Amino acid sequence: RKEVEQDPGPFNVPEGATVAFNCTYSNSASQSFFWYRQDCRKEPKLLMSVYSSGNEDGRFTAQLNRASQYISLLIRDSKLSDSATYLCVETGFQKLVFGTGTRLLVSP
Amino acid sequence: EAQVTQNPRYLITVTGKKLTVTCSQNMNHEYMSWYRQDPGLGLRQIYYSMNVEVTDKGDVPEGYKVSRKEKRNFPLILESPSPNQTSLYFCASSSTGSLNSPLHFGNGTRLTVT
Repeated sequence: RKEVEQDPGPFNVPEGATVAFNCTYSNSASQSFFWYRQDCRKEPKLLMSVYSSGNEDGRFTAQLNRASQYISLLIRDSKLSDSATYLCVETGFQKLVFGTGTRLLVSP
Repeated sequence: EAQVTQNPRYLITVTGKKLTVTCSQNMNHEYMSWYRQDPGLGLRQIYYSMNVEVTDKGDVPEGYKVSRKEKRNFPLILESPSPNQTSLYFCASSSTGSLNSPLHFGNGTRLTVT
């Protein structure tokens, strides 16, 4: 089983839609979680950290469910500029472990 | 501007011809790391460095070397490249080796080995 698993997508949504991605992880001892955003052929960039209590940054909400070992990212009011691949990251076994990413395509 | 700079952006080479990909950061970061990204496999760590003169293997170190003689530079060396090292490579840095410190990535080097 992969340490971090994501649905590769693509998720095709219209502008203004709400979309959610999940990411499951296998290491129950993982302490920290992040979402990174990667545009096509570009470097990943930190989108947000994921806290146990959940956190929100504008249209983006990240949540952690330790019991079921998954984290989620919710994007409200999708913009064309949200089209990208979203990478789930967890700190398992004292290292950063990246998921393979979920691709989001927002269309007009 | 705070950044991680990799060179070259694109490189096509032949099997066995030694090459170096340079990485430099201007943020005085202690931690630096190299990743390769392949379709369906995500980002995998090659080597990392917690500070000057300290380097450690990541998940896929075979066929690669690194050095950290200065804080700002962390070159990736392929002594004898092979086609299975064709990949997209990213250098990254963070202020500390803490797993909670966000990573700053360079803009990538697309390597093709024929």
